[in-house]
Amino acid sequence: EDQVTQSPEALRLQEGESSSLNCSYTVSGLRGLFWYRQDPGKGPEFLFTLYSAGEEKEKERLKATLTKKESFLHITAPKPEDSATYLCAVQAGAAGNKLTFGGGTRVLVKP
Amino acid sequence: GAVVSQHPSWVICKSGTSVKIECRSLDFQATTMFWYRQFPKQSLMLMATSNEGSKATYEQGVEKDKFLINHASLTLSTLTVTSAHPEDSSFYICSARDSTGLAPSNEQFFGPGTRLTVL
Repeated sequence: EDQVTQSPEALRLQEGESSSLNCSYTVSGLRGLFWYRQDPGKGPEFLFTLYSAGEEKEKERLKATLTKKESFLHITAPKPEDSATYLCAVQAGAAGNKLTFGGGTRVLVKP
Repeated sequence: GAVVSQHPSWVICKSGTSVKIECRSLDFQATTMFWYRQFPKQSLMLMATSNEGSKATYEQGVEKDKFLINHASLTLSTLTVTSAHPEDSSFYICSARDSTGLAPSNEQFFGPGTRLTVL
């Protein structure tokens, strides 16, 4: 069974204080690892897709990396508008197009 | 591009009534859509996969007679919660996979969600 674990559950940062979120996964045949941002009361907003170990992608203050067992989402010099829940999801070979989500990391950036 | 809408955005109903939620892909065709449920401070749980022109595939533990899914066109899937009870109160989110080939085939685009409250 595919499993995705995110840590920490919650993260409080001061504006400008860089940090990293972790997503550990156990799947049979990773087809893709996805990062989403979700604001309260809204649907997830797509951030990145990573396909193979060693791959990295960046978007503004966010950078996602992937190894064979985990992915990291690095937030560099965060701003209050980066406050959100960040969700990690995996798509495995046997599951077709289904996404299995982790529990999410709630990030609060204080000014 | 790749916008998914849901209607209504929120609904309050009495116990025992049925509620229909629509999911539309606005600028692309989607042969496959997905329905998720999210309880407060929890992550998304897949309920079912909706396939245009065929029966939906439900995840283990999800009652197909309670959560009716219809995917009648390439841009619309509906979820009907039948005989709703307070424990069905949740945030329901749909996603769609672009089948036109303009986006990577395994990416999903999410709707804004529908907040259901059953009194």
